[in-house]
Amino acid sequence: DAKTTQPPSMDCAEGRAANLPCNHSTISGNEYVYWYRQIHSQGPQYIIHGLKNNETNEMASLIITEDRKSSTLILPHATLRDTAVYYCIVRVAHDNFNKFYFGSGTKLNVKP
Amino acid sequence: ETGVTQSPTHLIKTRGQQVTLRCSSQSGHNTVSWYQQALGQGPQFIFQYYREEENGRGNFPPRFSGLQFPNYSSELNVNALELDDSALYLCASSGLAGGPRGYEQYFGPGTRLTVT
Repeated sequence: DAKTTQPPSMDCAEGRAANLPCNHSTISGNEYVYWYRQIHSQGPQYIIHGLKNNETNEMASLIITEDRKSSTLILPHATLRDTAVYYCIVRVAHDNFNKFYFGSGTKLNVKP
Repeated sequence: ETGVTQSPTHLIKTRGQQVTLRCSSQSGHNTVSWYQQALGQGPQFIFQYYREEENGRGNFPPRFSGLQFPNYSSELNVNALELDDSALYLCASSGLAGGPRGYEQYFGPGTRLTVT
């Protein structure tokens, strides 16, 4: 029951912006998009989330298309420590709980 | 560091055996979710507990069960282990939504279970 589609891997040069795409074409109006990343053998770590407006925090920016069918996570100045698997997630509100639907993730390789 | 801890770190079991994995939530969090992450895949939702009651479940059979205790720590129990149960098991705690990070889930480092 995957709700997001991501490319399996991407490369980025250190210091350059990394743009990670995600398709979520079946998203409903009240379902949020979250991004987490997972560094090898650790638990996933929150990056950013949004509903329909673009969002920015100290880690990244999230651009959501007007029809909400896709989004892009932007790391403005990638460093070697940003090498990780990045997950695009849809949060769905069920009757009495919220469920996170993880995609398969994009392995970002930041190269010197 | 998220403040969520899990034990043990690694575990090896034999097919047919039973296993209990433990999770200690971040202070103040009353909700815990458990996920199964197979090698090379994203985490898959198993179930969620809120105030000691299961309030949501993913597509996992009944041999996957859990408990949440009054201090909001949690256990995941798996009976009749199968080879395909080999995975990283993650727990994530969360509190009330509405903060600056929304309904953020704080993940522990996981327990690596190998079934032989």
